[in-house]
Amino acid sequence: GQNIDQPTEMTATEGAIVQINCTYQTSGFNGLFWYQQHAGEAPTFLSYNVLDGLEEKGRFSSFLSRSKGYSYLLLKELQMKDSASYLCAVLDSNYQLIWGAGTKLIIKP
Amino acid sequence: DAGVTQSPTHLIKTRGQQVTLRCSPISGHKSVSWYQQVLGQGPQFIFQYYEKEERGRGNFPDRFSARQFPNYSSELNVNALLLGDSALYLCASSTSDGGDLHIQYFGAGTRLSVL
Repeated sequence: GQNIDQPTEMTATEGAIVQINCTYQTSGFNGLFWYQQHAGEAPTFLSYNVLDGLEEKGRFSSFLSRSKGYSYLLLKELQMKDSASYLCAVLDSNYQLIWGAGTKLIIKP
Repeated sequence: DAGVTQSPTHLIKTRGQQVTLRCSPISGHKSVSWYQQVLGQGPQFIFQYYEKEERGRGNFPDRFSARQFPNYSSELNVNALLLGDSALYLCASSTSDGGDLHIQYFGAGTRLSVL
């Protein structure tokens, strides 16, 4: 079966750095996405990795290791508005997105 | 440019009824996908349409059906509603179903409550 695992909840302090991990086992791989979702709102696109390595975009970076079935999202200089759920999703061999349950990130002052 | 638009925003139905949800993709996007998201979980894939043809179907019963129109808008229909169908229904569009163009952009969703 297909499975994507990420921690249910994480807490971090404003101004700090947090790393949200994601491991996956899917039928095929055509890329890994990270989305941010505030409560009651739609997911918004953060990053896309298809090759191994680190992709940096402002305060957010995403890393991928295909051989390990592993990715992480790194958030720097945390702000209160970063409090949200972060969803990891893999595009499988049928080009369908398989989603993790999401990691709820709580930012404390 | 307008983003993905979904209607209605909220909907309340009773068990056994039927519902139709609508989605308009971003201009130029030919692929539309539908997802069901239950509170506290990630989205679950229901359907994908590309160029008016069904390209994929998730593990949902036949009560769920969808179609895509020539203008690339889409409808999701759910018949014989059950209490468990209560969820946020998300529509996402993308420019293509291949290559780097798989980034999906989501609408605000339709929150369906079945009583």
